[in-house]
Amino acid sequence: KNQVEQSPQSLIILEGKNCTLQCNYTVSPFSNLRWYKQDTGRGPVSLTIMTFSENTKSNGRYTATLDADTKQSSLHITASQLSDSASYICVVSEATGNQFYFGTGTSLTVIP
Amino acid sequence: DAGITQSPRHKVTETGTPVTLRCHQTENHRYMYWYRQDPGHGLRLIHYSYGVKDTDKGEVSDGYSVSRSKTEDFLLTLESATSSQTSVYFCAIRGSLGSEQYFGPGTRLTVT
Repeated sequence: KNQVEQSPQSLIILEGKNCTLQCNYTVSPFSNLRWYKQDTGRGPVSLTIMTFSENTKSNGRYTATLDADTKQSSLHITASQLSDSASYICVVSEATGNQFYFGTGTSLTVIP
Repeated sequence: DAGITQSPRHKVTETGTPVTLRCHQTENHRYMYWYRQDPGHGLRLIHYSYGVKDTDKGEVSDGYSVSRSKTEDFLLTLESATSSQTSVYFCAIRGSLGSEQYFGPGTRLTVT
């Protein structure tokens, strides 16, 4: 069964600290993996997209990694800011059709 | 935001009443989606459309119907709303590259 699991479910960190969010998936055949940021009361917004051949991709203070062999991805946030407080959702696309598989998200709270 | 709007943004309705949510896009995308988002479940696909008058069911389609008479509009109808349909509903389109989705701002629906 195609699934996407994220950990931790929630995380609280101090402003300025780094953190890493995890995503494990069983989706096959794999097409790509995306990380979305969802602010409270708003729709998800794409942060990064990674294909099978990509290991690392950065978007400012956000760095995503992908290990296609172990089917794991991580999102590393550097020097966190209060505005990073949001839910982060991992989404994996299946190569054969119109299927997107969503994780349940990690809720990140950055405190001063 | 890929030119996606949803209406209404908030709605409170009574059990048993019909409700229609509207998703409007301005960029002529072929694929459109309706999701619901509930705590602990992440985003779940209700229905999607791959063209005018072409729609298909998602994993949680029971109690919902959709229509797409124009490229720019995708309507979600709850024929007889139930309390279990209280949720936040997101519309999304698939980008022109086919590898990512863009989400609307969401509609918060409360069924009392």
